[in-house]
Amino acid sequence: AQKITQTQPGMFVQEKEAVTLDCTYDTSDQSYGLFWYKQPSSGEMIFLIYQGSYDEQNATEGRYSLNFQKARKSANLVISASQLGDSAMYFCAMREIYTGFQKLVFGTGTRLLVSP
Amino acid sequence: GAVVSQHPSWVICKSGTSVKIECRSLDFQATTMFWYRQFPKQSLMLMATSNEGSKATYEQGVEKDKFLINHASLTLSTLTVTSAHPEDSSFYICSARESGQFYGYTFGSGTRLTVV
Repeated sequence: AQKITQTQPGMFVQEKEAVTLDCTYDTSDQSYGLFWYKQPSSGEMIFLIYQGSYDEQNATEGRYSLNFQKARKSANLVISASQLGDSAMYFCAMREIYTGFQKLVFGTGTRLLVSP
Repeated sequence: GAVVSQHPSWVICKSGTSVKIECRSLDFQATTMFWYRQFPKQSLMLMATSNEGSKATYEQGVEKDKFLINHASLTLSTLTVTSAHPEDSSFYICSARESGQFYGYTFGSGTRLTVV
């Protein structure tokens, strides 16, 4: 069984500042994938970034980077230069590789509020 | 990029009636589709996984007879909430994975169901 933990129900950050959203995971699999999604109030799920368990370098996508610490089983999302439009729910998710369907399991989410 | 169309975006129905939600991959063949349910301010909970042409696999605790899932083609999956009750009111969102795509999970825009 696997588990995703997001311990921050809510985070506040000022515009243009950087913010880190925490995510820890628990799995006995050696091969897995970690995802971050953004969910604005409209409800759509927007893919942000992906990290494979065998990737040696931290993933980056524009202002998003993933601080992957495998030994600590953490996959924190770093958003640099926050913008007002970054205000949303953020979900960390993990994919099981060796199940037939490779389903995603989500954490409880962190609500980010960016203030002017 | 990959697009998943989900309809309707919102629906209000009377208690006891059935509601069908469609999830359609527009520009790729979705080998696997996932159906999630999300209560307000909570995470996405996987309800079931469907593969084209086979019966859906339901998560523990999800009533198969209430939430009927059909994945009749590689581009269409439907979720039917049968004999809906107010407690079925929720946000339902589908996700599709393309065969061979390593980490591509494309989400629909979600359906907000209100049962009155």
